[in-house]
Amino acid sequence: DAKTTQPNSMESNEEEPVHLPCNHSTISGTDYIHWYRQLPSQGPEYVIHGLTSNVNNRMASLAIAEDRKSSTLILHRATLRDAAVYYCILRDVGQFYFGTGTSLTVIP
Amino acid sequence: NAGVTQTPKFRVLKTGQSMTLLCAQDMNHEYMYWYRQDPGMGLRLIHYSVGEGTTAKGEVPDGYNVSRLKKQNFLLGLESAAPSQTSVYFCASSYSGTGGPQPQHFGDGTRLSIL
Repeated sequence: DAKTTQPNSMESNEEEPVHLPCNHSTISGTDYIHWYRQLPSQGPEYVIHGLTSNVNNRMASLAIAEDRKSSTLILHRATLRDAAVYYCILRDVGQFYFGTGTSLTVIP
Repeated sequence: NAGVTQTPKFRVLKTGQSMTLLCAQDMNHEYMYWYRQDPGMGLRLIHYSVGEGTTAKGEVPDGYNVSRLKKQNFLLGLESAAPSQTSVYFCASSYSGTGGPQPQHFGDGTRLSIL
């Protein structure tokens, strides 16, 4: 399975947009890009996923580069409840490999 | 609708003891998974199941066994616990679906300490 690279940590001010980057230069044509987040002392929570086109849902937006070698998770207006570890994962028919993710701190 | 329920939530074992972790889902999902998460690390897949009566090894299967006798339940067993198995264990489930891998729904975890 292809691996992803994410910054270890990021900070954002409350009520401002947050752009969480993910690099996946070895992505294959059939790999879907998944994002999960994990709040403290909880199990991971699905955020969004996509293949080629940008995706939007009630939680976030996913912007996928044209060459698919990188993607960005966009939280349009960060709240204190968005403080979590965010995982970018590639998956086709194989297993999820979570990596260590990006720890997002939201500053009031 | 409880989603994914893990039992127990906490447990302390002595080295060499055995135990079974239970995962139950009420979403009629075909796929179920067991992960472990060590401090400061991401989740690693132990075993998974794509349907009742079937199981397969994940990334770190050694020292664990699993069974899926009923569609809604997925059991993780430790036959002879070792301190290296101290971890937080998460169960997840998902539909088999088309259009790519389906989102996984996770339980709240079982915190297991082995002395």
